[in-house]
Amino acid sequence: DAKTTQPPSMDCAEGRAANLPCNHSTISGNEYVYWYRQIHSQGPQYIIHGLKNNETNEMASLIITEDRKSSTLILPHATLRDTAVYYCIVRSNYGGATNKLIFGTGTLLAVQP
Amino acid sequence: EAGVAQSPRYKIIEKRQSVAFWCNPISGHATLYWYQQILGQGPKLLIQFQNNGVVDDSQLPKDRFSAERLKGVDSTLKIQPAKLEDSAVYLCASSNRDRGLQTQYFGPGTRLLVL
Repeated sequence: DAKTTQPPSMDCAEGRAANLPCNHSTISGNEYVYWYRQIHSQGPQYIIHGLKNNETNEMASLIITEDRKSSTLILPHATLRDTAVYYCIVRSNYGGATNKLIFGTGTLLAVQP
Repeated sequence: EAGVAQSPRYKIIEKRQSVAFWCNPISGHATLYWYQQILGQGPKLLIQFQNNGVVDDSQLPKDRFSAERLKGVDSTLKIQPAKLEDSAVYLCASSNRDRGLQTQYFGPGTRLLVL
């Protein structure tokens, strides 16, 4: 079973920031938080990951709370092309079978014009 | 850098027929994964290879599904015989250890419809 809880859907106005929350209250010390998104009829796309510090790349920012029990993915200026299902996943990096990604049902983000 | 390639993109078969999917991972990626995604659900891991060895196939229905990665590069996933409930998107992903992390990159998937 997925170790994360996400809202099933969210709306965001085009050009505004999209803030997608994720709860992972049972995360352990060696587990990372990963975010993927899946645009309709495409494979999942890697967005960003983090352990305990906030992270930023060209696609998004990841804010992880100090207790690591929740995080927020931020798309600073959402466009219509950001409409997708966003998956928050926790997993370790010890290698072997621990590499597998356990997907939940994610959050469907609908960016409105 | 080329991404993960999969073929075919779409396949329609009748139940009890057999079908095979092909995956070519990102060059140099040692780990390869096959996922099944049923409509409305997140992807579910079927099998994971490290080079040409199986790391995890605990969720693979071995009575009808098989997969191989003979030379540690390309992989094929086969279903024989197919059932109606096998209708899904089959996703291939690959990863390599980079600074201690294994980030998976996915292909576009093969959409299978079993009639």
